[in-house]
Amino acid sequence: QITLKESGPTLVKPTQTLTLTCTFSGFSLSTTGVGVGWIRQPPGKALEWLALIYWDDDKRYSPSLKSRLTITKDTSKNQVVLTMTNMDPMDTATYFCAHRRSRARGGLDFWGQGTLVTVSS
Amino acid sequence: SYELTQPPSVSVSPGQTARITCSGDALPKQYASWYQQKPGQAPVLVIYKDSERPSGIPERFSGSSSGTTVTLTISGVQAEDEADYYCQSADSSGSYEVFGTGTKVTIL
Repeated sequence: QITLKESGPTLVKPTQTLTLTCTFSGFSLSTTGVGVGWIRQPPGKALEWLALIYWDDDKRYSPSLKSRLTITKDTSKNQVVLTMTNMDPMDTATYFCAHRRSRARGGLDFWGQGTLVTVSS
Repeated sequence: SYELTQPPSVSVSPGQTARITCSGDALPKQYASWYQQKPGQAPVLVIYKDSERPSGIPERFSGSSSGTTVTLTISGVQAEDEADYYCQSADSSGSYEVFGTGTKVTIL
């Protein structure tokens, strides 16, 4: 049974750095093909793809946010961490992490419940 | 950067067929996935690799691809299918991924 859960601050101030952790179970990020991605959704708006990391440490970033994002994995802890620098009120959103079974298969087949991050002074 | 375009809304009567399109220049080269999202919930994968259905997804959900457009079809729509639907795919080189603009499906 695959589960993922996002954790991190619910409130950050403008210009601060956000650090979110995705803690998962039921799979290993050392298994060939597996990936974990981050997606966000501002209130009432569409999903936005942010970043994804694969088992072999291949990392992909949204080009519009690439300069502000870093994604890393800790295979021993079953965690993936996303950092986003220079936070702005426009970054207020629910942040999701999700599992990818394989690079070839595509899709994100298991999702966390999401965590709402508000950016405000 | 790359964009996937969907119609903002689709309305359909129960038992009828809903078709949701997603257009993008790289779709002839990259597979697409589709997600269903209900209010306050995380998205659910309903189609991957253009037309494959994950286990547990009803057979009334199907996907197809033609040129620069992929289509999600919901046959025999039920009240529980009322939700937002998003397509997802990658740019032509596979360097990054994007979600579509989203389509709200309303059951009349």
